[in-house]
Amino acid sequence: SQTIHQWPATLVQPVGSPLSLECTVEGTSNPNLYWYRQAAGRGLQLLFYSVGIGQISSEVPQNLSASRPQDRQFILSSKKLLLSDSGFYLCAWKLAGTETQYFGPGTRLLVL
Amino acid sequence: KQEVTQIPAALSVPEGENLVLNCSFTDSAIYNLQWFRQDPGKGLTSLLLIQSSQREQTSGRLNASLDKSSGRSTLYIAASQPGDSATYLCAVRPSDSSYKLIFGSGTRLLVRP
Repeated sequence: SQTIHQWPATLVQPVGSPLSLECTVEGTSNPNLYWYRQAAGRGLQLLFYSVGIGQISSEVPQNLSASRPQDRQFILSSKKLLLSDSGFYLCAWKLAGTETQYFGPGTRLLVL
Repeated sequence: KQEVTQIPAALSVPEGENLVLNCSFTDSAIYNLQWFRQDPGKGLTSLLLIQSSQREQTSGRLNASLDKSSGRSTLYIAASQPGDSATYLCAVRPSDSSYKLIFGSGTRLLVRP
């Protein structure tokens, strides 16, 4: 069966520090991968989307970036965090040609 | 620009009650609509997916309807249980996108024992 992992589960970082969040998927090949951010009491905002290794589409201009160094690994990064980067970050995957997205457990980021 | 709205933002009901959650969207050009459940501090779980050509989908005590022309969907939960307590989000996939989902902000449901 397929499993999606995210780490860390919780992160507290000072403003201006770098960020690296990791997402990995097990039990499937060539998944479509997503990074979302959820602010408190808000819906999910799509940040990045990837259909394959090295293929990244950005939805929202910001100080975040994403990379996909391996088929089932998706990384969200920042060189310098802002207060507004605080939120709940969710990774998701789906098979190409299907509709259902499967979400990871999320990473809660607090920037102070 | 597509916008998805969910009203009410929060709902509290006694156990056993039937209830309806509402979702509205501004652009009827959608490919499908999905309902998700999110437990506190957790990821999302897909509940129901309705294609644009469908009127409703059912899974157990859940029934979702879609009226694309009026930009509305409802999620009906029958005989609610405390375990149904969670936030319910709806999301639409625009017709012109093969991957993007646009989410509402959710309805936080509390079912009291």
